[in-house]
Amino acid sequence: NAGVTQTPKFRVLKTGQSMTLLCAQDMNHEYMYWYRQDPGMGLRLIHYSVGEGTTAKGEVPDGYNVSRLKKQNFLLGLESAAPSQTSVYFCASKSGTSGSFAYEQYFGPGTRLTVT
Amino acid sequence: AQSVTQPDIHITVSEGASLELRCNYSYGATPYLFWYVQSPGQGLQLLLKYFSGDTLVQGIKGFEAEFKRSQSSFNLRKPSVHWSDAAEYFCAVGGNAGGTSYGKLTFGQGTILTVHP
Repeated sequence: NAGVTQTPKFRVLKTGQSMTLLCAQDMNHEYMYWYRQDPGMGLRLIHYSVGEGTTAKGEVPDGYNVSRLKKQNFLLGLESAAPSQTSVYFCASKSGTSGSFAYEQYFGPGTRLTVT
Repeated sequence: AQSVTQPDIHITVSEGASLELRCNYSYGATPYLFWYVQSPGQGLQLLLKYFSGDTLVQGIKGFEAEFKRSQSSFNLRKPSVHWSDAAEYFCAVGGNAGGTSYGKLTFGQGTILTVHP
């Protein structure tokens, strides 16, 4: 199992450009998440999905869109990148709905995005 | 609302010394608590978790954590630190107090651990 993979690993964008980050998981997980990590702020949830075809907003959704057309993939889009979106983006997934497994998330390696 | 505080932004220890990383949480019911480790340039790896039962939980890489409800704490410990433990450590809380929470985890700000030889 590859677990959770993210593409690309690094990207540099100019202000106003668009891009899509791909997250893929091979664990048949229902739930998937996109976080951003900024120094001193931990991880903040951008959007999440509770199953194929569903998406919902997290804590910091502005400037981002997501899609979950296939269960194994969760895409994060930036339509018009801004320097404030310079960050490291992590995707995560989880399977269970009971007990501690309801909250045990598996993380991808991250995508480092710089917007100039 | 749930929240997590890691009071120490950066900790430096010598190799072989003991380690304790602090985590305080705020949550309205019994929480599920996690410690994750992030090595430079890597994703987050789960070290250990508390769900219920024994308040002292063992994790991977020789780490343990103790849940203290009265202090709202879940501190991470290791008796003897190795140079390879240098990383950033995140405490997180989850739970469904008040209804559906979509498996939401709230993370602390992280503690960077430096290990001196």
